[in-house]
Order: sequence, then structure tokens, then C-alpha cells
Amino acid sequence: GQNIDQPTEMTATEGAIVQINCTYQTSGFNGLFWYQQHAGEAPTFLSYNVLDGLEEKGRFSSFLSRSKGYSYLLLKELQMKDSASYLCAVKAGRKLIFGQGTELSVKP
Amino acid sequence: DTGVSQDPRHKITKRGQNVTFRCDPISEHNRLYWYRQTLGQGPEFLTYFQNEAQLEKSRLLSDRFSAERPKGSFSTLEIQRTEQGDSAMYLCASSREAGQGAYTGELFFGEGSRLTVL
Repeated sequence: GQNIDQPTEMTATEGAIVQINCTYQTSGFNGLFWYQQHAGEAPTFLSYNVLDGLEEKGRFSSFLSRSKGYSYLLLKELQMKDSASYLCAVKAGRKLIFGQGTELSVKP
Repeated sequence: DTGVSQDPRHKITKRGQNVTFRCDPISEHNRLYWYRQTLGQGPEFLTYFQNEAQLEKSRLLSDRFSAERPKGSFSTLEIQRTEQGDSAMYLCASSREAGQGAYTGELFFGEGSRLTVL
């Protein structure tokens, strides 16, 4: 079966750091993606991990442990515009399987 | 640069009517995907095309749903005899084929077609 779990909601303060966790159990694994989706808009690509370890991209970093079926997205120096839904997705075969998304609210 | 475009952006219909959505992918992308998203949920896979061939279809997709990509370019998604449970955002995405430059399998999404069934 396919199961991807992430927290439903998180709240953080402007300027702080937040970590959004994702655990997965899927039949097939060809990489893990993180997408950002603002309300009413299309998901946009943030990061991709296929090997274990940390990938850093500006204020955003993503970590993968394939043996633990675990990833996290780290957002530093939070800004108000980072308020959005963050989607964890596993590439299984040629398609992406998405989690339910984590709604992040950034407060002043 | 033209991204993935979808039409119409919004559709309101009555239960039992048929609706059709169109997706124009990024021109050099061979792969095209349809997803459905409801409020508070992540996108749910519906179907996938490689050029004009429909290679995978979700078991969740009933016989009322059909998708085509006749010339390997744009795609249509038709829903027949719509039901209130079909109300959702229908997202189209495209991606490059492996071997075409730097490839991660990243999907590029359109803005979606929001369907409301009354």
C-alpha cells in the first residue's frame, strides 16, 4: 500500500526556524519531493532528495533517510509569505504520490 | 516561457451533466498527469500519459472518467454524469522524460480547473 504522513497544521513565528516532518511507506521509491502550495494556487517545486542526506537551497533544506522512510523540510528565517501548505510527495514508478499537506501559518 | 495551462479555470454544473477540461502542457514535456485535489488534502493521482499513450490509471477512477491525449500534446479529461462528490480542483501537470537534460522527475503544475457540481 501507499501511506504518506505529515502533520496537518503547524504555526511558527516570523524569523524563526520550522521543521516539517514526513514519513512514508510506499511500494517503490524513486525519490522524495517537497512542494509549496499557496491557497488557490498550483503546487510549486521546492526540493528533491533521492539519496540519504541533506539538500540545501537558500532558506530551505530537505533531509532524507531511506532506511527510516523519513524526510523533513527545514525552513529558516521564516517570512510571512511562507504561510502555505507544504506537500511531501514520493515518486513511485513514474508518478508522484502526495501526502495530505501541512498547513503552515507564520505569525508576526 | 509558457507554463502548463488549463481551461476552464472554473466550472459550475448540475448533477448529471458532462464536463470536459483541457490541459496544454509545457511544449517539450512528454509526460502529462491528471490529479484531483479536495480542500485540505494533497493531490490525488488520476492518470498519466507518455506522449499519446495512457500508461497508468488510478483504480479510484470510475468509468465515468476518461482522459485522452490524441496527438501527444494537449489532453482532455471528461467526466460524464457528474455527481456532487466530483466537486474538486482538477490539476494537470507535465514533466520531461528521463534523459532530457537534468531530470528529477519534477512535475510542473497548471493552475487547475475547479469543478462545482450542484
